[in-house]
Amino acid sequence: DMKVTQMPRYLIKRMGENVLLECGQDMSHETMYWYRQDPGLGLQLIYISYDVDSNSEGDIPKGYRVSRKKREHFSLILDSAKTNQTSVYFCASNRDWGSYEQYFGPGTRLTVL
Amino acid sequence: GEQVEQLPSILRVQEGSSASINCSYEDSASNYFPWYKQEPGENPKLIIDIRSNMERKQIQELIVLLDKKAKRFSLHITDTQPGDSAMYFCAASRSNNRIFFGDGTQLVVKP
Repeated sequence: DMKVTQMPRYLIKRMGENVLLECGQDMSHETMYWYRQDPGLGLQLIYISYDVDSNSEGDIPKGYRVSRKKREHFSLILDSAKTNQTSVYFCASNRDWGSYEQYFGPGTRLTVL
Repeated sequence: GEQVEQLPSILRVQEGSSASINCSYEDSASNYFPWYKQEPGENPKLIIDIRSNMERKQIQELIVLLDKKAKRFSLHITDTQPGDSAMYFCAASRSNNRIFFGDGTQLVVKP
């Protein structure tokens, strides 16, 4: 059963605190993504990772950084979180061959006070 | 990069009628067009996709049409049910490159 997991599912932080969002997948997918989604809106791409230590900026990378030291794990880091980073964050992954279906994690709802 | 435009942003239909969502793209090299459904509080899930070597694909009540010449593709849901109410996203992709999403269509099926 193909699965993308995210931890934590809910997080409340104060402005200026550091935030670590974790994503894992058990499908040995090469490519992983971090998106944010604001209420009623679409998915905005923050970062893409093509494999271990091979990361590229997406459309809105400012204020975020990522880390991928193992193929199955992809972390999103907010150094000194801001209130406008309150959002739902989705991780996703897909293979680089065959089906290009992106599998999404359940999301992390982050609130920055 | 690719730009995907999706219309309408909100679509209200009566139960049992059809619903149509239209998308257009700019990059003629895009060759993979998935559709995702997202229910409130849930993650997006792939419901149907079409590749550039096809013009039409149907899975049960879902029909996807692709017009490569016009760079347009569309999702048609026949005989809509309340359970079809959700946010729908179209997307376009070139091979194994990133997927570019439309802004979404909120479908409301009225009983």
